[in-house]
Amino acid sequence: DIQMTQSPSSLSASVGDRVTITCRANQGINNYLAWFQQKPGKAPKPLIYGASSLHSGVPSKFSGSGSGTDFTLTISSLQPEDFATYYCQQYNGFPLTFGGGTKVEIK
Amino acid sequence: EVQLVESGGGLVQPGGSLRLSCAASGFTLSDHHMDWVRQAPGKGLEWVGHSRNKANNYTTEYAAPVKGRITISRDDSKNSLYLQMSSLNTEDTAVYYCARVRGGIYYIDYWGQGTLVTVSS
Repeated sequence: DIQMTQSPSSLSASVGDRVTITCRANQGINNYLAWFQQKPGKAPKPLIYGASSLHSGVPSKFSGSGSGTDFTLTISSLQPEDFATYYCQQYNGFPLTFGGGTKVEIK
Repeated sequence: EVQLVESGGGLVQPGGSLRLSCAASGFTLSDHHMDWVRQAPGKGLEWVGHSRNKANNYTTEYAAPVKGRITISRDDSKNSLYLQMSSLNTEDTAVYYCARVRGGIYYIDYWGQGTLVTVSS
């Protein structure tokens, strides 16, 4: 199985900060990497697919990068509505696997 | 507008069975691969199973913790997806989401709101 390791597991940041979350796969996943945002009590929402492509309707402050086994999600200027938990997921092969999540909290 | 609405969750005793439904609207279910993903209380997301589209004969994949205990099926006439679960145990307690896979690109592009399954005596 492909293991997805996210770091950090949580972070505190201020409005306006640039935030970067890392996701590492234990083997190559051909950039079949998605990022999701989840707020408490709500379903996840897609942000990024294919490691760097923005899902329809997602603001450009979100960006994804990386290749091979190492990937990042960057929020260029954190806004109040961005405080949430973020998950990466590989869809290169079964079983599909998610990272453990990164909770972004207000400093 | 694409919508996925899950139902069928509830309280079930250990060893019991449950069938979850996912009613799809705004698109033709048979054209799309679909996933079930669950989230235990306070925990992360866990993939449960995958159903390929009609063109791929509705073949399925299941996660190891649930393989042999779950079956994913569809009813094209109702544009609905189902998750039949049996031999449930307390570790199956979670919110269960159905999710649509975007055609040709294969990532999850829509999620339902989820339905809570609680396994407890």
